[in-house]
Amino acid sequence: NAGVTQTPKFRVLKTGQSMTLLCAQDMNHEYMYWYRQDPGMGLRLIHYSVGEGTTAKGEVPDGYNVSRLKKQNFLLGLESAAPSQTSVYFCASSYGDSFTEAFFGQGTRLTVV
Amino acid sequence: LAKTTQPISMDSYEGQEVNITCSHNNIATNDYITWYQQFPSQGPRFIIQGYKTKVTNEVASLFIPADRKSSTLSLPRVSLSDTAVYYCLVGGSYSGGGADGLTFGKGTHLIIQP
Repeated sequence: NAGVTQTPKFRVLKTGQSMTLLCAQDMNHEYMYWYRQDPGMGLRLIHYSVGEGTTAKGEVPDGYNVSRLKKQNFLLGLESAAPSQTSVYFCASSYGDSFTEAFFGQGTRLTVV
Repeated sequence: LAKTTQPISMDSYEGQEVNITCSHNNIATNDYITWYQQFPSQGPRFIIQGYKTKVTNEVASLFIPADRKSSTLSLPRVSLSDTAVYYCLVGGSYSGGGADGLTFGKGTHLIIQP
């Protein structure tokens, strides 16, 4: 059982480039989330989804877009990367509402130069 | 939005019991209290969740007083491997909208020494 898998694990982008981070879960979870974590900070919620075909904004959504076309996948897109988006990105999923146990991926370390 | 306050850091020694308290003065009636643990270069890991009174699992205990304005995560007999950041989250089901309770603060950096 792989749990939550993030692709890629590392990436370096130039300012203005675009990319998509992929999150896949094999636990048939309804809820999925994208967070970013900066040095010395907690995790900040970017976007989340309560089911296939749905997305909602979190605490820091600007500069990001998401899609949940399939239940098992949650994609995070950066259309025009900026140095301020240098961060570690974590994806998570949970079976029920926000207060059932959430499972996190191993993170994607993104550097924008 | 229920805000939480935790100590930034704590130190303890192997074999000791560690208690980390989280304040959440404006907790709502349907809010749950959830704790996560995070090691460096890893995603957070669920530890325990509770609504009121006391909850215990194989890893930790969670004490919640009657007024629910605070909670205490108790780690029995800690070891060096318990050195991590611990996050307290407060919120309820967001089926009614919003992402309350999915917000991680800066957490408590627990350092266990030999």
